[in-house]
Amino acid sequence: KNEVEQSPQNLTAQEGEFITINCSYSVGISALHWLQQHPGGGIVSLFMLSSGKKKHGRLIATINIQEKHSSLHITASHPRDSAVYICAVGGGSQGNLIFGKGTKLSVKP
Amino acid sequence: DTGVSQNPRHKITKRGQNVTFRCDPISEHNRLYWYRQTLGQGPEFLTYFQNEAQLEKSRLLSDRFSAERPKGSFSTLEIQRTEQGDSAMYLCASSLALSGYGYTFGSGTRLTVV
Repeated sequence: KNEVEQSPQNLTAQEGEFITINCSYSVGISALHWLQQHPGGGIVSLFMLSSGKKKHGRLIATINIQEKHSSLHITASHPRDSAVYICAVGGGSQGNLIFGKGTKLSVKP
Repeated sequence: DTGVSQNPRHKITKRGQNVTFRCDPISEHNRLYWYRQTLGQGPEFLTYFQNEAQLEKSRLLSDRFSAERPKGSFSTLEIQRTEQGDSAMYLCASSLALSGYGYTFGSGTRLTVV
């Protein structure tokens, strides 16, 4: 079993829909990251969370440390949101991240 | 500061050749990480530096791989005697020490071994 599990693996939505991507992890962490990766592109950091909830524009990220679960929400989705969204957890002295396999989101106009 | 810079963006090489990639982190970041990402997978940790010291190496980093960070600034990742299985995106990231604050990724170097 992977240490970081994301669901769904693939998600297709219509423009304007509310989207939720889930992440569960099995290791102790100091922080959880939500990242965005466009095809052929590098990775952009969206959020770093250690507790509670963060909001940036149409993106909202929440984390429940006790349940070892985080969600990324996109409100009023748009085709430009189409990308792979990756959950990654960091902990320990190294600071390196353990990544989920990503959720491929496609938003249709 | 324009973020984490990686060069080259793309590299095609013949099997058996040596390749070297470069990463320039954000200047005030003392931690630098190398990850490898194969198609359809999330990135996997390879190694990391704090300043010039290489503090951790993954089992993925075979003897053919070597990384350096002279003077604690830019870093290079060299792969000797490349194999087709080395074809992947090689990602560099930097951050501030234990806080993980400012974790920033480069655009990656895509290696294709033919």
